[in-house]
Amino acid sequence: SQTIHQWPATLVQPVGSPLSLECTVEGTSNPNLYWYRQAAGRGLQLLFYSVGIGQISSEVPQNLSASRPQDRQFILSSKKLLLSDSGFYLCAWSVTTGSDIQYFGAGTRLSVL
Amino acid sequence: GENVEQHPSTLSVQEGDSAVIKCTYSDSASNYFPWYKQELGKRPQLIIDIRSNVGEKKDQRIAVTLNKTAKHFSLHITETQPEDSAVYFCAAGGSYIPTFGRGTSLIVHP
Repeated sequence: SQTIHQWPATLVQPVGSPLSLECTVEGTSNPNLYWYRQAAGRGLQLLFYSVGIGQISSEVPQNLSASRPQDRQFILSSKKLLLSDSGFYLCAWSVTTGSDIQYFGAGTRLSVL
Repeated sequence: GENVEQHPSTLSVQEGDSAVIKCTYSDSASNYFPWYKQELGKRPQLIIDIRSNVGEKKDQRIAVTLNKTAKHFSLHITETQPEDSAVYFCAAGGSYIPTFGRGTSLIVHP
């Protein structure tokens, strides 16, 4: 069966520090991968999605970036965190881009102080 | 692009009552409509979905209806229980990335 791992679960970072969140999927090949941010416990904002290695589409321009160095690995990064980057970050995968279930990771709660 | 509106933003019911959450979408090419439940501090999880070739789907106390002509779909929960309390998200997808609604916070009072 397929599983998705996301870490860390909780992160407290100072303003201006770098960020690296990692997500891996097991049990499937060539998944579509997504990064979402959820502020104030509501609303799923799509940040990035990827349909293959090295293929990243950005939905919201900001100081975050994403990379997919391996088929089942998706990384969310920032060189310098802002206070507004605080939130709940969710990684997800699906078989297809649209007409399919999205399976979410457990999420990372990021607090930027 | 697709635009999904979800109402209400908050819904408070008594245990045993029914709850209905409604969503509208704008793109007639959308053909997949999932509903996700997110308990506090946890990940969203699919509870039911419907495709555009079906008008209604039911799974125990949960049902979803789809009106393609009017471009709206609804989630129905009957005999609500306290454990149904959560945020519910609708979404509309097709050949593109699904667009999510803003969520409905359902509170079931014992």
